[in-house]
Amino acid sequence: ETGVTQTPRHLVMGMTNKKSLKCEQHLGHNAMYWYKQSAKKPLELMFVYNFKEQTENNSVPSRFSPECPNSSHLFLHLHTLQPEDSALYLCASSQDPGGAGIAKNIQYFGAGTRLSVL
Amino acid sequence: QKEVEQNSGPLSVPEGAIASLNCTYSDRGSQSFFWYRQYSGKSPELIMSIYSNGDKEDGRFTAQLNKASQYVSLLIRDSQPSDSATYLCAVNTPYSGGGADGLTFGKGTHLIIQP
Repeated sequence: ETGVTQTPRHLVMGMTNKKSLKCEQHLGHNAMYWYKQSAKKPLELMFVYNFKEQTENNSVPSRFSPECPNSSHLFLHLHTLQPEDSALYLCASSQDPGGAGIAKNIQYFGAGTRLSVL
Repeated sequence: QKEVEQNSGPLSVPEGAIASLNCTYSDRGSQSFFWYRQYSGKSPELIMSIYSNGDKEDGRFTAQLNKASQYVSLLIRDSQPSDSATYLCAVNTPYSGGGADGLTFGKGTHLIIQP
């Protein structure tokens, strides 16, 4: 157990549905991340939140909409997805040292949500 | 474009032998380097982190970093069947001035330890 909890673990949705993925971290970290892992491809960074502010959007389509209401919770809202969006969606958290020295940025991952878009 | 390259394998190693996993990265500004282990159907689990040139040992695992050659490796001594997994190399290249940057991952090396 890494201290990062993701729900649901599995999700099947149609292309016209709207659903949300939830991530909660119990590690006292102040940075949270969404990654996508597709078959045959490396883990791809989607979004970074630092102190609740989005600091990075890695050219993700607008059908993926993140929300970070506080430093412990992160959501990924999904709407009108495509079959190629089927993947494992991973949430991670880390403690941002605030720019002092080399950024350690050790990230801990949740178990992921396995998403299938029909 | 930040890139991390790994040989996808599979790399087959007899039980008890040393498994050697390699990784190269493209961005010379990279500062933090990580090895994650991922079992099939599971999420990545941090194995090692390394930040300066040289070796870092933790139990049966040794990470090696050579920034001049832009090369990171992971050695697993006394390999066990339970070490069979995909090993992901990840690199942090900070650009925002702070520490919360996403990691760039390689595709991973599939390691098989033969009993």
